Amino acid sequence: EADIYQTPRYLVIGTGKKITLECSQTMGHDKMYWYQQDPGMELHLIHYSYGVNSTEKGDLSSESTVSRIRTEHFPLTLESARPSHTSQYLCASSESAGETDTQYFGPGTRLTVL
Amino acid sequence: GQNIDQPTEMTATEGAIVQINCTYQTSGFNGLFWYQQHAGEAPTFLSYNVLDGLEEKGRFSSFLSRSKGYSYLLLKELQMKDSASYLCAALDSNYQLIWGAGTKLIIKP
Repeated sequence: EADIYQTPRYLVIGTGKKITLECSQTMGHDKMYWYQQDPGMELHLIHYSYGVNSTEKGDLSSESTVSRIRTEHFPLTLESARPSHTSQYLCASSESAGETDTQYFGPGTRLTVL
Repeated sequence: GQNIDQPTEMTATEGAIVQINCTYQTSGFNGLFWYQQHAGEAPTFLSYNVLDGLEEKGRFSSFLSRSKGYSYLLLKELQMKDSASYLCAALDSNYQLIWGAGTKLIIKP
């Protein structure tokens, strides 16, 4: 089982603030992902990375950015938070192709923008 | 386009058996995953199938038919703690995971 951590677990902020959601994994996985999920709804991929210095946008148009300077760290930044960003943000990582492409999820960050 | 279909919600009785179906259409195919997600929590991995047939893991089994683009998750001896959403996801030719919307399973005593 992968060890993947997210901080903060809960965040309430005002509109216009810049925030960074942290995600770290200790498994040495090359691939990392950020998903957005509203309660009872499906997962939407917003960003992913296949390794250091590699980042790609996912299916869901997002006003966030990511960076991958170290294998274990994949932070997500919102430059100017809006109420529409209120959601749960899930980070995941996976090793490589096939069964080892199993994605393991962090506990999530529940973001509320007032 | 790529698509995953699974029922939105199912109800079953404690101690019974339930089968959750999933059909998929993807550009290429490199396997089918099932995840469990309790309300307010992150998804956790249940199973992976890439070859046709049934894989059994304790009370949970997963089946795949590649020719039919079809999978199911079978849960036996249902327990109240099995109340959760069950997510089907298919890995396409680019090793991108295509997620279904999930099936909410309600277990009644």
